Amino acid sequence: DQQVKQNSPSLSVQEGRISILNCDYTNSMFDYFLWYKKYPAEGPTFLISISSIKDKNEDGRFTVFLNKSAKHLSLHIVPSQPGDSAVYFCAVWAGSYQLTFGKGTKLSVIP
Amino acid sequence: ETGVTQTPRHLVMGMTNKKSLKCEQHLGHNAMYWYKQSAKKPLELMFVYSLEERVENNSVPSRFSPECPNSSHLFLHLHTLQPEDSALYLCASSQDDRGETQYFGPGTRLLVL
Repeated sequence: DQQVKQNSPSLSVQEGRISILNCDYTNSMFDYFLWYKKYPAEGPTFLISISSIKDKNEDGRFTVFLNKSAKHLSLHIVPSQPGDSAVYFCAVWAGSYQLTFGKGTKLSVIP
Repeated sequence: ETGVTQTPRHLVMGMTNKKSLKCEQHLGHNAMYWYKQSAKKPLELMFVYSLEERVENNSVPSRFSPECPNSSHLFLHLHTLQPEDSALYLCASSQDDRGETQYFGPGTRLLVL
């Protein structure tokens, strides 16, 4: 059973608008969450993370929000740029070197 | 070279071949990982080495054999693979002793015929 779910396989957004990528997890004990970005023919690149003691973390155009009661996190990209087109993976740290990943959401930013 | 590098980037092998994947990290990290990414599936952790000792082995078939000669290098030795082993194999490393934030290489795209 999947512990990390990204229910939208794909998302299209106009350049300059906000992109919102969503992720749900099942275990309320998880306490560290990450987003990775992956371009074709490259490995995943670490983007941003958040600890469960916070509900928001910002880095430039990227903001991650954590809703612990709903076991939900989201990644906001604003403004979206064509170079942001990639597959975005949500991951949770499950303890002892284990990162558990979602299946990814393919973001397409349309110029 | 910077970050995490992997060679070869692409590999085609028959089921009776033996080949090895190589990973090198230039980040001064203490832990290294092998992941498998199959089509339409999440990344699956295969092996973890911390300070050159194996700490995790997630029920991986014995036809995959890891080797970590030092904290900068990691190998995955392959023998008698099956077509369903065709996938993207990713290496990663981390600095911290919990493996919270991992940094990935570009991967080796493996095709088993």
